[in-house]
Amino acid sequence: DTTVKQNPRYKLARVGKPVNLICSQTMNHDTMYWYQKKPNQAPKLLLFYYDKILNREADTFEKFQSSRPNNSFCSLYIGSAGLEYSAMYLCASRGLGGRDTQYFGPGTRLLVL
Amino acid sequence: GDSVTQTEGLVTVTEGLPVKLNCTYQTTYLTIAFFWYVQYLNEAPQVLLRSSTDNKRTEHQGFHATLHKSSSSFHLQKSSAQLSDSALYYCAFPVTGNTRKLIFGLGTTLQVQP
Repeated sequence: DTTVKQNPRYKLARVGKPVNLICSQTMNHDTMYWYQKKPNQAPKLLLFYYDKILNREADTFEKFQSSRPNNSFCSLYIGSAGLEYSAMYLCASRGLGGRDTQYFGPGTRLLVL
Repeated sequence: GDSVTQTEGLVTVTEGLPVKLNCTYQTTYLTIAFFWYVQYLNEAPQVLLRSSTDNKRTEHQGFHATLHKSSSSFHLQKSSAQLSDSALYYCAFPVTGNTRKLIFGLGTTLQVQP
């Protein structure tokens, strides 16, 4: 089973409020990623976990937090949502020896009003 | 920097006719592999094709692509489009190093009409 699950599928948030998105996988993959996809833009990496080590991209360093309480779960946390956070958020996972293949979830569409 | 350029926007083709989605890339990395991902409506992006061998044709589900490093291309083709092929297609490659993050193109929406 190569399923990556994301919850919720749709999220409506108010400006200034926190947002927490959840991702899970049961493939025992050591790396989990969060990408952001906006209209007319390519998906862009926000951060990733390799095992328990969090790596955040330089240009999104202060905007997103994440946690990985165990191998299967990974969250994406926005402390104070702004309009610019409206986007599709895609979670992916990759295992060692997986020939660089990343397995994606269906995404969470976040709308900030 | 690293980038992927795909056929822009929407490609509409009649069922049974051939289709080609272009993908060219730019990278300074010694890239390991190239991917085509397909995303059907309301579903997760999934790997359609993967290739790491120069000038070798890769096939899956009736689609094929050949990696040509000399021209930095990895075009996706199918000889006879089906209605069920209607989807969003991404060309992508992972950067080397610990990240292995995927560099995506903007995506091409393929619409197959009867």
